[in-house]
Amino acid sequence: ETGVTQTPRHLVMGMTNKKSLKCEQHLGHNAMYWYKQSAKKPLELMFVYSLEERVENNSVPSRFSPECPNSSHLFLHLHTLQPEDSALYLCASSQDLSSPGNTIYFGEGSWLTVV
Amino acid sequence: QKEVEQNSGPLSVPEGAIASLNCTYSDRGSQSFFWYRQYSGKSPELIMSIYSNGDKEDGRFTAQLNKASQYVSLLIRDSQPSDSATYLCAVRNFNKFYFGSGTKLNVKP
Repeated sequence: ETGVTQTPRHLVMGMTNKKSLKCEQHLGHNAMYWYKQSAKKPLELMFVYSLEERVENNSVPSRFSPECPNSSHLFLHLHTLQPEDSALYLCASSQDLSSPGNTIYFGEGSWLTVV
Repeated sequence: QKEVEQNSGPLSVPEGAIASLNCTYSDRGSQSFFWYRQYSGKSPELIMSIYSNGDKEDGRFTAQLNKASQYVSLLIRDSQPSDSATYLCAVRNFNKFYFGSGTKLNVKP
């Protein structure tokens, strides 16, 4: 079992749909992240949560809505997306935010296609 | 200016050779530096981390850090075809964690 689990692994949705991506970490970490990876672009940080509190929101459109009910679970709610939102969405976790030596561990990602 | 810059490649090396991957970063306050490997269609996996100037070796991998030059590199000795992947450089300053676009490495049998 991997330390960070994401579901679903693949999702195809229409522009008017509402769907959610789910992430669960089994590492006892206190920080969780959502990243977006598009073709030939760097990983884009979307949201950062520390102990269920959002600490970073990198100018992400409101059609992406994160939710962190506890330190082990993170959701990304999707609503009225655009085709350019099609990408690999990666969840990650780290021990916390303050230690310089903290390492981010990624889940296997959710491939999203918006049609 | 991008926070982390990498040559996109592809970098092609013959099997058994040394592959050298380079990365520069812009934030002088960066504290931690990481190399991730990403196979096509997969998520990034951590290879090495380095926090202080100099070299750090782990098996066939050596990470090199020069904070004065804001430069990080990864050397892969005795390259294998299974090393063919995209290598992402990542730089961290507390909760700011920046990734480069990655360098694609091809190791030819």
